[in-house]
Amino acid sequence: KAGVTQTPRYLIKTRGQQVTLSCSPISGHRSVSWYQQTPGQGLQFLFEYFSETQRNKGNFPGRFSGRQFSNSRSEMNVSTLELGDSALYLCASSETGGSGNEQFFGPGTRLTVL
Amino acid sequence: GENVEQHPSTLSVQEGDSAVIKCTYSDSASNYFPWYKQELGKRPQLIIDIRSNVGEKKDQRIAVTLNKTAKHFSLHITETQPEDSAVYFCAASSEYGNKLVFGAGTILRVKS
Repeated sequence: KAGVTQTPRYLIKTRGQQVTLSCSPISGHRSVSWYQQTPGQGLQFLFEYFSETQRNKGNFPGRFSGRQFSNSRSEMNVSTLELGDSALYLCASSETGGSGNEQFFGPGTRLTVL
Repeated sequence: GENVEQHPSTLSVQEGDSAVIKCTYSDSASNYFPWYKQELGKRPQLIIDIRSNVGEKKDQRIAVTLNKTAKHFSLHITETQPEDSAVYFCAASSEYGNKLVFGAGTILRVKS
């Protein structure tokens, strides 16, 4: 099976702009989670989608949002970008929705906000 | 909410020695504890995981132990090799669904 893919891989934006990142899970996986990785804060959970519904949400402002489509592909959107949003955004997919399922990570999208 | 602490932040060992990384968690409801390895510029990859109904799990040179009473779990790597050099993250999952709370990471350097 093909692995988790993310597009784009690199993105440069300026403050105030908005951005949309895309994640395609492994075929058959229905759960997609998003994480932000920064040198200072490490890996932090953003949100999880399962069967097109947001099931868990981390402690991020409302500028961060996401959605999942019927084919399980997911997008996350960040509006009104701030310098501190510069990070590697990782998505991870897993087969089912129960706790304790192995999550497979994508290569990430490196977002730089100038 | 859940909080995961990981120690040490950096660890240098000689090739062939063992390495141990320790994590503690705060939420007694946590029931799934994966360990991820992330090489420079690469995605995190699961190397081993353990569920709360198991005390120890081994996979070749890697083992994980879990002490539910003390709320801590550890990663043990034996006979370390230079290719084990990477950042290792522990994580815990305590809610319905797949929310992982990660430790801060340990930079492991294996010197040859």
